[in-house]
Amino acid sequence: GENVEQHPSTLSVQEGDSAVIKCTYSDSASNYFPWYKQELGKGSQLIIDIRSNVGEKKDQRIAVTLNKTAKHFSLHITETQPEDSAVYFCAAGTGGFKTIFGAGTRLFVKA
Amino acid sequence: NAGVMQNPRHLVRRRGQEARLRCSPMKGHSHVYWYRQLPEEGLKFMVYLQKENIIDESGMPKERFSAEFPKEGPSILRIQQVVRGDSAAYFCASATTGGTYNEQFFGPGTRLTVL
Repeated sequence: GENVEQHPSTLSVQEGDSAVIKCTYSDSASNYFPWYKQELGKGSQLIIDIRSNVGEKKDQRIAVTLNKTAKHFSLHITETQPEDSAVYFCAAGTGGFKTIFGAGTRLFVKA
Repeated sequence: NAGVMQNPRHLVRRRGQEARLRCSPMKGHSHVYWYRQLPEEGLKFMVYLQKENIIDESGMPKERFSAEFPKEGPSILRIQQVVRGDSAAYFCASATTGGTYNEQFFGPGTRLTVL
């Protein structure tokens, strides 16, 4: 079945450094790739998304890249801040009903 | 505009009891998704509903689990005769329209513990 793999499972960076989270997907029909941030005790919140007709998208300190050939997409956070500490989920969707989520990356930003 | 609300936030049940989880979508949202999250795992799709209709329940176990989204009131995820393996966080999300292009707004989740 469809699968999204996410790495690393845990990432610790120093404040101000960059953080990169990588995901691969199995369903070649996937064409929508959202990233969600889950803070402790809260529901996940969409932070950025990218569609398959775009290779890269940036929003302030957050950027996503997509390589459809390799079925690979990544989240890049620059100038990390302690409030970036959370669990980040990548996901892949085909435009249908179902969104497949990765297992999550727990990001720690040390002050 | 209040966000997606779920209650209870924490639910403890003994094996064999029933668990009822409620989700009130954001105002104006008529599409609801339910997900299950086990420790150290991602969100697993369970079921997608519109008002009074189950659209896709392919991620929901066929036995003991059921979901509804009535014309009035919250969406309910019901687990009968709970077992320890049902212990997890259950999240619902709502959206204005269906399809994965549309942002899903998540509730804070219900953490179910089965003793």
